Amino acid sequence: AQSVSQHNHHVILSEAASLELGCNYSYGGTVNLFWYVQYPGQHLQLLLKYFSGDPLVKGIKGFEAEFIKSKFSFNLRKPSVQWSDTAEYFCAVNAWGDFNKFYFGSGTKLNVKP
Amino acid sequence: DVKVTQSSRYLVKRTGEKVFLECVQDMDHENMFWYRQDPGLGLRLIYFSYDVKMKEKGDIPEGYSVSREKKERFSLILESASTNQTSMYLCATANSGDKYSNQPQHFGDGTRLSIL
Repeated sequence: AQSVSQHNHHVILSEAASLELGCNYSYGGTVNLFWYVQYPGQHLQLLLKYFSGDPLVKGIKGFEAEFIKSKFSFNLRKPSVQWSDTAEYFCAVNAWGDFNKFYFGSGTKLNVKP
Repeated sequence: DVKVTQSSRYLVKRTGEKVFLECVQDMDHENMFWYRQDPGLGLRLIYFSYDVKMKEKGDIPEGYSVSREKKERFSLILESASTNQTSMYLCATANSGDKYSNQPQHFGDGTRLSIL
């Protein structure tokens, strides 16, 4: 079975700091990769996704993620965080051969201090 | 605006009860999912459905069943609730028109279920 690892469970940053959240997956085949965000009191929403092509993907609100196939990684980045980025972030993987199943990571809680 | 509506935000039930969680969507999406979300474990797929009356088990189907009699409604059933089923339950939908992926696109607000 696939698995998705998010090693940072809780990250605390000050505003304007740079952000990188790690995501590693275990699957040898072709994958689709996603980052979701859940703001406090709100439902999950898609932040960005990678299907193919340019491994650097840009999403909403200034977020981007880079797919590094050799490292089985899809890290999320933002050059300068804002207080409003306080949320929980989930990485997810979907394999082409198992396309109806999604595997989520355990989530990273980001707390941005004003 | 698209909507995925879960019938209850909070629900408290007793051990052994049969519990129904309802999810209704207004986007005409073929695929619907039920996840549970637990701290430190992320989201885990319980069941999904890719069409009316069609269902497939996810990663943790034990103790649960589902029903999809109409396209817009996907119900999760706890046959005999147990305390380890206390959790946040999330419904999601996806449009199967994408050839390469059926990722959950729209989530409901969740139902926080407590089993006493």
